[in-house]
Amino acid sequence: GESVGLHLPTLSVQEGDNSIINCAYSNSASDYFIWYKQESGKGPQFIIDIRSNMDKRQGQRVTVLLNKTVKHLSLQIAATQPGDSAVYFCAEKDQAGTALIFGKGTTLSVSS
Amino acid sequence: DTEVTQTPKHLVMGMTNKKSLKCEQHMGHRAMYWYKQKAKKPPELMFVYSYEKLSINESVPSRFSPECPNSSLLNLHLHALQPEDSALYLCASSHVTDLYGYTFGSGTRLTVV
Repeated sequence: GESVGLHLPTLSVQEGDNSIINCAYSNSASDYFIWYKQESGKGPQFIIDIRSNMDKRQGQRVTVLLNKTVKHLSLQIAATQPGDSAVYFCAEKDQAGTALIFGKGTTLSVSS
Repeated sequence: DTEVTQTPKHLVMGMTNKKSLKCEQHMGHRAMYWYKQKAKKPPELMFVYSYEKLSINESVPSRFSPECPNSSLLNLHLHALQPEDSALYLCASSHVTDLYGYTFGSGTRLTVV
């Protein structure tokens, strides 16, 4: 599958591949993180979340990994489908802990 | 009900107009938020309401005026906007203490002419 170690603005994969999207967060005090999927013209859609007392959490076809040592999040999508094509954002708590702020986003393009 | 509903979906307004964006949720969330999103950029936080009180204003110009009339409703009043204020305006809600259930609406696409 396709994977990137650093944040890249775009990721292109073939249908059926596994995708890995990376995110570096800035607030070392954040104890909660969410991955969102945003399709064109729509609001961000919740995919999966993880709390800082966990390193890994799995959902349906998705896995989130959290590395607090290097302040890094990743989203793994198994058997990527054309319907997964969208922009993916990671979100962390702000310094006040009262809202989420967003990373830069990665555009995932899936070709069949 | 697990949705955040925003109206209108699209809005075109002149620079001298006054308009309002509306947001509604019935999930029992006591934190509500406004974000602004420009094309190909991440959402940027504008305002945070906790228990119907404004807790964060991220240095937003006064031509944007938020209002939280009750625990289910959030408004954003717009006046004397500039063309550069054209963007997608997103509302979100969540639990206050742990931000659990952070849910976004579909947004209002605003064009200032």
